[in-house]
Formats: sequence, C-alpha cells, structure tokens
Amino acid sequence: GAVVSQHPSRVICKSGTSVKIECRSLDFQATTMFWYRQFPKQSLMLMATSNEGSKATYEQGVEKDKFLINHASLTLSTLTVTSAHPEDSSFYICSAFGGSDTDTQYFGPGTRLTVL
Amino acid sequence: DAKTTQPTSMDCAEGRAANLPCNHSTISGNEYVYWYRQIHSQGPQYIIHGLKNNETNEMASLIITEDRKSSTLILPHATLRDTAVYYCIVRAMDEKLTFGTGTRLTIIP
Repeated sequence: GAVVSQHPSRVICKSGTSVKIECRSLDFQATTMFWYRQFPKQSLMLMATSNEGSKATYEQGVEKDKFLINHASLTLSTLTVTSAHPEDSSFYICSAFGGSDTDTQYFGPGTRLTVL
Repeated sequence: DAKTTQPTSMDCAEGRAANLPCNHSTISGNEYVYWYRQIHSQGPQYIIHGLKNNETNEMASLIITEDRKSSTLILPHATLRDTAVYYCIVRAMDEKLTFGTGTRLTIIP
C-alpha cells in the first residue's frame, strides 16, 4: 500500500508555544489529506480535510485559527497547533488516499504531542 | 451516528482463526465495508474492504452476508502481532472515514 509519513513522531512543548506537524505522501501525490486527533482510550476523530492549493475544511467544533493547516504541495500537508495548551495534548494522525488506489485511505504513524 | 456495531473486545488463541463480526444493518447500496486496525500508539493500518462479494488478501478475508447487513473479518492464523483494535467502517466513495469504538482483539499465547 501507499506510504504516509509524519514528522516528528513525538514532541513535547511548553504551554503557549506553537507546534508544527508534517504529513508527507512518500510514493504518491495526494491532493487531499486528512487530519485526525485521538485522545487516550478513545477513537480517532476527524479534525479537518486538507486540500492542496485551497483552504482546509474543518469539522464542527474544531477551531480553524488554532489548528492551522497548509497543503502547499501534492506531497506535504502541515498542521500547526498554535498557542498550545495541555488540553491539546493528544495523538495526531494524518491520512491520504493512496495514489492509484483512490478507494482507500492510508494513515501515517502519528505524532504524540505533549504540552506541559 | 454509528453506522456499525462491533463487540467491545474479543480474545483468540494464537494460531487459531480470529473471526471479528460487524453489524451494519442500515448500510446503503453504494457503501463499502472497510476494515482497519490500530496497534497501540500507531496509525491505523488498512486491512481490506468490499462491497458485495467476499474478499481475500494477504492479511485477511472479508465475508459479507448476502443482505449486506453484517460482515466478518477473518484473520486465518492469528499471531501475537495481531493484537490491536479493529475498526469496521461503512463508507461511500465520496464520504469521510468515521471511526467507531472498534473491537479490541487480544491474541492469547
């Protein structure tokens, strides 16, 4: 299947700082990527849909000014958590439709964010 | 709203077949059944998907009932590395993936 990578795999930051997470499609181009968040012992919740060359679409209840998404190329989407607070600590996961396999989403390995 | 119902947890002996059920009684004609699994602290891994016919790949088999109201994911020879949360998701081609709570499968040595 298609390969999606994320960087960093884990990050610890101080409250009030901003953190950028990168999501890359390694062997295919992705016009659409998705960002999910997962709190401990809970399921994945879709945060937003990232569209190459246009604005992201955010799910209800997700603050677009807090979670900035940029999809400037066909292989890279970034999620920036601005002014992070401890309640933003979570597991952030991206996904993309797998190139020639347009039916299936493939997921990155996730980024563990801890805000102190 | 959850489109699927799965048992919260299941155990299976190592080497045996693991059969994971999923009910999707309100599935529409254009909706596929997808299975993903998530091993602890990793991103979800795609397993298999199908529309009407049974499907098999190198990881698993997917058996869909004739009325499409339920399906079963079969891991033919479970290993300890198959311990994970398994998600059954119903999705039309132009829809987003919505994750439920899944089934926590534990493979017992």
